[in-house]
Amino acid sequence: EDQVTQSPEALRLQEGESSSLNCSYTVSGLRGLFWYRQDPGKGPEFLFTLYSAGEEKEKERLKATLTKKESFLHITAPKPEDSATYLCAVRGTQGGSEKLVFGKGTKLTVNP
Amino acid sequence: GAVVSQHPSWVICKSGTSVKIECRSLDFQATTMFWYRQFPKQSLMLMATSNEGSKATYEQGVEKDKFLINHASLTLSTLTVTSAHPEDSSFYICSARRGALDEQFFGPGTRLTVL
Repeated sequence: EDQVTQSPEALRLQEGESSSLNCSYTVSGLRGLFWYRQDPGKGPEFLFTLYSAGEEKEKERLKATLTKKESFLHITAPKPEDSATYLCAVRGTQGGSEKLVFGKGTKLTVNP
Repeated sequence: GAVVSQHPSWVICKSGTSVKIECRSLDFQATTMFWYRQFPKQSLMLMATSNEGSKATYEQGVEKDKFLINHASLTLSTLTVTSAHPEDSSFYICSARRGALDEQFFGPGTRLTVL
């Protein structure tokens, strides 16, 4: 069974204080690892998809990396508007699975 | 970017009535759409997967007769909550999968409150 574990559950940073969020996964054949940002009362906003170990993607202050066991979301010099819950999900190849398996998320708070 | 819309964004209804929620992919064709519900401070719970022109596949524990899903076209899926009760109050979010890259995009969600 595919599983995703995110850590920490919550993270408080000062503005400008860089850090990383972790997403550990087990999957029988990775089709893709997804990162989303979710603000309260809204649907998840797509950030990145990573497909193979060693792949990296960047968007503004965010950089996602992928190994065979985990993914990191690095946040460089965060701003208060980066405060949100960050969700990680995987889609595997087992049984022609269509669905994403989500972690419980990391709630990030960036203080000014 | 890919845009998924939902309508309505919020709805309040009386117990026993039915509510329909629409999900549209605005700038791409979605062969597969998904419906989730989310309780406060919890992660997304997949309810069902729907493919255009075929019956939806429901997750274990989700009542097919209560949550009717229709995926009539490559850009539209609907979720109907039949005979809604207060325990059906939740945040419902749809999602659409785009193309060969397997990317999946979410709508803004619909807040359902059943009185």
